[in-house]
Amino acid sequence: GAVVSQHPSRVICKSGTSVKIECRSLDFQATTMFWYRQFPKKSLMLMATSNEGSKATYEQGVEKDKFLINHASLTLSTLTVTSAHPEDSSFYICSAPNPGQGSDTQYFGPGTRLTVL
Amino acid sequence: AQSVTQPDIHITVSEGASLELRCNYSYGATPYLFWYVQSPGQGLQLLLKYFSGDTLVQGIKGFEAEFKRSQSSFNLRKPSVHWSDAAEYFCAVGAPNNAGNMLTFGGGTRLMVKP
Repeated sequence: GAVVSQHPSRVICKSGTSVKIECRSLDFQATTMFWYRQFPKKSLMLMATSNEGSKATYEQGVEKDKFLINHASLTLSTLTVTSAHPEDSSFYICSAPNPGQGSDTQYFGPGTRLTVL
Repeated sequence: AQSVTQPDIHITVSEGASLELRCNYSYGATPYLFWYVQSPGQGLQLLLKYFSGDTLVQGIKGFEAEFKRSQSSFNLRKPSVHWSDAAEYFCAVGAPNNAGNMLTFGGGTRLMVKP
């Protein structure tokens, strides 16, 4: 199966700082990656679609200036939470389809828990 | 717009008992359907998926799911639950023929297993 990693797995930061989360496809290339947010005891909500070499597509209600996405290569997408506030505390999960396994199947990273103090 | 409903937020079953987790979807046609499991501190793991063909799908860890078009359902089943099955289960739908498509998730069902 395909492997997707995220770094860091857990981060605590002060309010007002920016935090970068990396999502990597370890053994396949992904022209598209997805970023989800999961609130405690809630489901995953799609935030944005990360496209290699072009701008990300954001879901309605997601602030693109707050959640900066960069898909710099075929194996790496980054999500930067800018000027983080306590309400941004959440579990952020990325996923990527692996064309070799059928592009309609998503492989998920282990998630990054962000806590903003 | 597609949507997914998992009516049961929590389910508790005894170890060895059978299990059925419900999932209903709303979509204009037949979507791609998935079941994922999320254990504490772990990422989402794909249990099984349905794209087309046989409506009874076998997955990993002894799970199966049945697609019922008339009921817009894709319920997950397991004949005999093990304590290690305690986790959060998510049903998800995706749009067919959309390479690399994003998923819409249900609210999740938390499964607890009694010894």
